[in-house]
Amino acid sequence: DQQVKQNSPSLSVQEGRISILNCDYTNSMFDYFLWYKKYPAEGPTFLISISSIKDKNEDGRFTVFLNKSAKHLSLHIVPSQPGDSAVYFCAAIPNTSAGKSTFGDGTTLTVKP
Amino acid sequence: NAGVMQNPRHLVRRRGQEARLRCSPMKGHSHVYWYRQLPEEGLKFMVYLQKENIIDESGMPKERFSAEFPKEGPSILRIQQVVRGDSAAYFCASSPVGNYGYTFGSGTRLTVV
Repeated sequence: DQQVKQNSPSLSVQEGRISILNCDYTNSMFDYFLWYKKYPAEGPTFLISISSIKDKNEDGRFTVFLNKSAKHLSLHIVPSQPGDSAVYFCAAIPNTSAGKSTFGDGTTLTVKP
Repeated sequence: NAGVMQNPRHLVRRRGQEARLRCSPMKGHSHVYWYRQLPEEGLKFMVYLQKENIIDESGMPKERFSAEFPKEGPSILRIQQVVRGDSAAYFCASSPVGNYGYTFGSGTRLTVV
């Protein structure tokens, strides 16, 4: 039973446009959510996070939106740049388990020049 | 300040041999996590350790796999009698107390031939 799902394995956008990556979760105990970015042959890099008490968190070109009632979060990248091309993982942490993150399978973003 | 160091980067083992994967967390980080990424899949939690303690090993296979984080030295993930299905990228991550975001190492790519 996959508790964190990224239903789009891949996404392709044009440079300068918005990239929207989606993530759904099933476990209502999750209360902290993170996005990681991964380049080939490297480990994932933390990008941005959001607590369940918020519905939006912004950091430069990256914004994460959380809809608790729908158990859905999304990562917006505006404007998209070719260097953003990578695999993006959504992760979630339950309030009962400090640190342990459950990851989705990732979405491969390709930003075309 | 060096990041999370994993070695070796690549490891080839024959079926039946032992594999030892090492992880040195970031300075000041007391929590270590091991994740496995099978081809075309996401990151799957294996084990969460603090110094001399296994906090959560719910993701560890019941046999052949063990992990430790001794008082001195790196964390070790040990796989005994490797099989072809153990071929994967193994990522170690660390975090300080009270911080949900991980810092990942570059991973060890294990190939069993």
